[in-house]
Formats: sequence, structure tokens, C-alpha cells
Amino acid sequence: AQSVTQLDSQVPVFEEAPVELRCNYSSSVSVYLFWYVQYPNQGLQLLLKYLSGSTLVESINGFEAEFNKSQTSFHLRKPSVHISDTAEYFCAVSPRGGAQKLVFGQGTRLTINP
Amino acid sequence: DTEVTQTPKHLVMGMTNKKSLKCEQHMGHRAMYWYKQKAKKPPELMFVYSYEKLSINESVPSRFSPECPNSSLLNLHLHALQPEDSALYLCASSQDRGLSNMKEKLFFGSGTQLSVL
Repeated sequence: AQSVTQLDSQVPVFEEAPVELRCNYSSSVSVYLFWYVQYPNQGLQLLLKYLSGSTLVESINGFEAEFNKSQTSFHLRKPSVHISDTAEYFCAVSPRGGAQKLVFGQGTRLTINP
Repeated sequence: DTEVTQTPKHLVMGMTNKKSLKCEQHMGHRAMYWYKQKAKKPPELMFVYSYEKLSINESVPSRFSPECPNSSLLNLHLHALQPEDSALYLCASSQDRGLSNMKEKLFFGSGTQLSVL
């Protein structure tokens, strides 16, 4: 079975400051890793994912995440945040070779203050 | 059209009522999903349909009954629900190429907020 731990339930940050949202996972098998974002009153949107290859993956809106196998982590970072980044961020894993099944972490609410 | 449309957006029902949630996509996706998200909690998978066949049932109580009448539609029939079933019900769809495919991506609807009285 897989589990995901997002260490921070809430992260307040000032606009244009850097941010890191932490994600650790536990699994007895290899996994794929994902970050999803949920804006208020909306469904989830895929931000980025790690399947294989380069451990650093980037999204089109400036976020990046790095897969660290030894630390079983997949932290999300952005060097300079905007008000529009205010949302709930979910880290998720799926077992390799397994069914279409995502296991989500508890979520981190990112609040950007002007 | 890259949307997953869910209706209704809000639903209030009593414990003896029968109601249905609807989900529709026109992206040609062959996998459709139901997730349940309680307040301030992560989404939890309930059901997966692949090519209109139920492929995953995460031990969901029988008071929830999914139906996939065709590749564009997914329903969730509700009967004799309990107050603890109150939650946001999210539908999603994907091409069903497998999560190992870089192009595979789940598209989520904005959900139905269900309240059971």
C-alpha cells in the first residue's frame, strides 16, 4: 500500500517570495509521483508529474518538483509566488504497473499575502 | 472541449431519498472515475470505469451505485445515504493509456457538493 504525508497543512507566504511545499511518501513498490492544485470551488488540475528520467520536473507556470528516492520525497517549489497561486496543493502517488489509482496526501493550503 | 461537467453543483437530500449525480465529458476519454472528498481532506477514490466496464471498486458501500451508460457519461446513484456521506463528489476522466504514459492526465470536474440530512 502507499501513503503520502504533506507535512504542512497551511503555508502563508508573501507575494514574490519563494515557497516550498513538502511531500513524503511511503510505498513497498516503485511509484509515480504527482502534484495537483485545487483552486476554490474547482476540481483538481495536474500541476506536474514524475514518471522516470530526470528527477527534476517543471510545470508551465513556474513550479518545479524534485524526486529524491533516498529521502522518499517529492517537494514542490516556486522561486517567486503570485497572488493567483493561492490554492490547495495535493501530492499524490500511484504504484508503477498498478491500476489507475491515485493516493493523495492531506493537502497544503498555500496562501499568498500582498 | 477539455471539460468534465458535473451536475448538479449542489444537492441536499434526506436519508430516505434516491438521487443521482451526473458526469459528462466529450474528450473521447475511455476511463472515468468517482472520487469522494470530505471537507479539508484529500480526495479518495471510489470507482473507476475503463471502456465502460467497472474496473475498480474501492469497497464502497452499496448505497452508492455507479453506472456508465456510454463512454461520455458516468452516473452515481445514491440511496439511503447517511449524514457522514456528506462530501464533495468529484468526477474525473482520462484517456486510459495508463499512468506510466507521459500524456496520461486526469481531468477533474468541479464536483457536486452533497449534503445528507
